[in-house]
Amino acid sequence: EVQLVESGGGLIQPGGSLRLSCAASGFTVSSNYMSWVRQAPGKGLEWVSVIYMGGSTYYADSVKGRFTISRDNSKNTLYLQMNSLRADDTAVYYCANGGWIQPHYFDLWGQGTLVTVSS
Amino acid sequence: SSELTQDPAVSVALGQTVRITCQGDSLRNYYASWYQQKPGQAPVLVIYNQNSRPSGIPDRFSDSTSGNTASLTIAGAQAEDEADYYCNSRDTSGNHVVFGGGTKLTVL
Repeated sequence: EVQLVESGGGLIQPGGSLRLSCAASGFTVSSNYMSWVRQAPGKGLEWVSVIYMGGSTYYADSVKGRFTISRDNSKNTLYLQMNSLRADDTAVYYCANGGWIQPHYFDLWGQGTLVTVSS
Repeated sequence: SSELTQDPAVSVALGQTVRITCQGDSLRNYYASWYQQKPGQAPVLVIYNQNSRPSGIPDRFSDSTSGNTASLTIAGAQAEDEADYYCNSRDTSGNHVVFGGGTKLTVL
């Protein structure tokens, strides 16, 4: 079955760090554009970061310098390391498969993992 | 980076046709993709790559682009089409992805 399963969310204090994981099955992460997208409570979708097949990475201005996207090809898993977390990082974080045509064609989404940044 | 602008809310009578628009400079260079999101669920891709539909998406969903505006059309809207709809695209730099603010579709 083709699917993405996120994990690693939870309650974290401001300034803290968290690592999200996204385990893929049914396809190869390194052969696709893979992104993280988040959604704050009651708000719209916000793209966070992408990793290209060749390994290039790009970030939204709101997270650049604080978040790092990576992948482990042996585990077929995508990661998002989040440092210096702020209250406005509170959101459901989705990993999304962008396929191989364009990085923004997200044809597969995980179920999401909630990150709450609060003291 | 660039922005994509959507109307916050649109309504349509059951069985009628509705158009949801998405405006942004990047749409002159990149086709939009469109997502349907129902409460408590992850988004679902409904249109990508110039009017392509993933398997399982009804053919009442279509899109078109003119200049800096992409339009998602639902022909013969059904009750189950009531949802939030988002467009997205690459930004003008080509390296980032941007989403529109979303349109809440109500089927009357």
